[in-house]
Amino acid sequence: EPEVTQTPSHQVTQMGQEVILRCVPISNHLYFYWYRQILGQKVEFLVSFYNNEISEKSEIFDDQFSVERPDGSNFTLKIRSTKLEDSAMYFCASSIRDEQYFGPGTRLTVT
Amino acid sequence: AQKVTQAQTEISVVEKEDVTLDCVYETRDTTYYLFWYKQPPSGELVFLIRRNSFDEQNEISGRYSWNFQKSTSSFNFTITASQVVDSAVYFCALSERDTGRRALTFGSGTRLQVQP
Repeated sequence: EPEVTQTPSHQVTQMGQEVILRCVPISNHLYFYWYRQILGQKVEFLVSFYNNEISEKSEIFDDQFSVERPDGSNFTLKIRSTKLEDSAMYFCASSIRDEQYFGPGTRLTVT
Repeated sequence: AQKVTQAQTEISVVEKEDVTLDCVYETRDTTYYLFWYKQPPSGELVFLIRRNSFDEQNEISGRYSWNFQKSTSSFNFTITASQVVDSAVYFCALSERDTGRRALTFGSGTRLQVQP
């Protein structure tokens, strides 16, 4: 069964460094998303991407964040200058219509 | 603004008991979707069900059933004859669709512990 994959599973970085989180959505899906979950809290929407552009973004998704679909398969989230409060699990999701299927997540730890 | 409330933070049951997880939502949209996701201890988010605002039929899938009531803005989830493998955090989520938005708004989750 097709699934969303994410790499790396765990990333440790120092405050101020740039990180890129990678996702491979399900191949025939059209919509792509990033969410985050701070430890023990609820899942929060960051951004959605459709037709090679951002279709929605939340207040969390400020200028420090950017997304890209550099080729036909990958979907990336870049955080330019990480802060301690960026430490969270980051989930990528994709959908063809309404059900969003999530990847296993990347745990980002900012020290 | 949209909101999803899962008032039960944690529920503990003994195997084979039935358990109902509550979800109450707020939205001004007439078209919306409701979802349930399961997050087992391994951390991934597993899609369970989607319901649109025009379909109030209850749904049953094996030991799982869902009760959608627009009159009370609720979308409750019942597990019949619970099993240890049901232990997880369960999230209810809402997607408002009047303006074509697709972002999911999640509730804070209910942690279900099923004791053997």
